Amino acid sequence: GQQLNQSPQSMFIQEGEDVSMNCTSSSIFNTWLWYKQDPGEGPVLLIALYKAGELTSNGRLTAQFGITRKDSFLNISASIPSDVGIYFCAGRTSGDDKIIFGKGTRLHILP
Amino acid sequence: ETGVTQTPRHLVMGMTNKKSLKCEQHLGHNAMYWYKQSAKKPLELMFVYNFKEQTENNSVPSRFSPECPNSSHLFLHLHTLQPEDSALYLCASSQAAAGLAGHQETQYFGPGTRLLVL
Repeated sequence: GQQLNQSPQSMFIQEGEDVSMNCTSSSIFNTWLWYKQDPGEGPVLLIALYKAGELTSNGRLTAQFGITRKDSFLNISASIPSDVGIYFCAGRTSGDDKIIFGKGTRLHILP
Repeated sequence: ETGVTQTPRHLVMGMTNKKSLKCEQHLGHNAMYWYKQSAKKPLELMFVYNFKEQTENNSVPSRFSPECPNSSHLFLHLHTLQPEDSALYLCASSQAAAGLAGHQETQYFGPGTRLLVL
C-alpha cells in the first residue's frame, strides 16, 4: 500500500532552537495534515493544507504543501518545553481519497 | 463536553474477557473512525462509519466488532483478544462528504483507550 516517509524519526534539540521535519510520498496527495500527540493523549490537529504551494502558520508553527504535491514540511520556531511530543504528518491520497499517516517524529528538548 | 471523548482511558483484560470501548463526538460530525496505534508503527485504520453505516473494514479480525448506533456514538466490542492486540485505540470523527464514497475529511481524535491484554 501507499506509505508516507516522515523524517527524522526523532530529534534532540535545545530550547529556543528552530525545528524542521518533513513528509514525502511517491504518490500525489490532495491534502496534508500535521498533528501533535502528547503522551497518553490522542493526536491533535495543528495545521491542515489543501492546496499545492500553500503556506500556513499557527503561532510558532509553519507548514507548507509542496508544489509537487508529494511532500510537506513543518517548522517550529523558538522551541519551548511544551513542544515535546510526537508530530505526525497525514495525507489524503488523490487516487482513493484515503488518509494515511506517517510514523511520526518524536521531539525531545534538552534542558 | 466538547470534542471527542473516549472511555475507558485504560483497560486491562484477559484473553477470555469481553469488554467494550466507547467513543462519543460532540462536533456534529457524521463520520467516525477506529484506529489502532502500536509502538513504532503508523496509525492503523480499522473501521470507518459514515452516517451510521460501516464503509470500511481494513481486514480487522472478527474479535473486534464495531457498533455505531448513531452519528455521535461509536463502540468497539472486544472478545477473545490476544496479547498482540495491546495498543492505544483511538477514535476520530470528521465531516462526511456526501455523495463521494470513501472520501475522508480531516479527522479529529479522542484521547484514546490504552488496552493491555494479558
